[in-house]
Amino acid sequence: GAGVSQSPSNKVTEKGKDVELRCDPISGHTALYWYRQSLGQGLEFLIYFQGNSAPDKSGLPSDRFSAERTGGSVSTLTIQRTQQEDSAVYLCASSPSWGVTYEQYFGPGTRLTVT
Amino acid sequence: RKEVEQDPGPFNVPEGATVAFNCTYSNSASQSFFWYRQDCRKEPKLLMSVYSSGNEDGRFTAQLNRASQYISLLIRDSKLSDSATYLCVVNGARYSTLTFGKGTMLLVSP
Repeated sequence: GAGVSQSPSNKVTEKGKDVELRCDPISGHTALYWYRQSLGQGLEFLIYFQGNSAPDKSGLPSDRFSAERTGGSVSTLTIQRTQQEDSAVYLCASSPSWGVTYEQYFGPGTRLTVT
Repeated sequence: RKEVEQDPGPFNVPEGATVAFNCTYSNSASQSFFWYRQDCRKEPKLLMSVYSSGNEDGRFTAQLNRASQYISLLIRDSKLSDSATYLCVVNGARYSTLTFGKGTMLLVSP
């Protein structure tokens, strides 16, 4: 079946612009995660959605970052007034259910470059 | 102490060699442990879960030492295709999420 998809695959934007990154999880997966990975760094947790519960936003680095998940499926990560330090690969993952014992399936990521 | 620490490497080994990676974690309450593999410019993929009793999957063996809070991954008979970054993953302070180490790079040469 189809895996996690993300769009766009690459995004170059000017400092100060807003960007939207999209994630389509695997059908039926109720948990969805956003991470970012900067060059040479590990994955940094950003936000987590589980079903209709309130998202865990504890990893968002600033109030310029927000995310939505509509209808329990597609998710959008929005970065407002982008800064150069936002340049990274943004990875989305989904999981069949809540709980860390479930494997997370990752999408190919969106490579964001802020100039 | 960082939540999950790994030697970044790279580990350079010839084909057929046995190589081992260790990873330490800080949260003694962690219950779930994994090794993920990430190829260059690709997304991470689950390699194997790590169970208390240790587990083996073909050429790969994972061990957990709760007392010392470390996890190991042993790769036997290395293949060129094993070249990748291996990420140690642990559930951290926020139970519902996973914490990823920065990874250990393995380069297998002919």
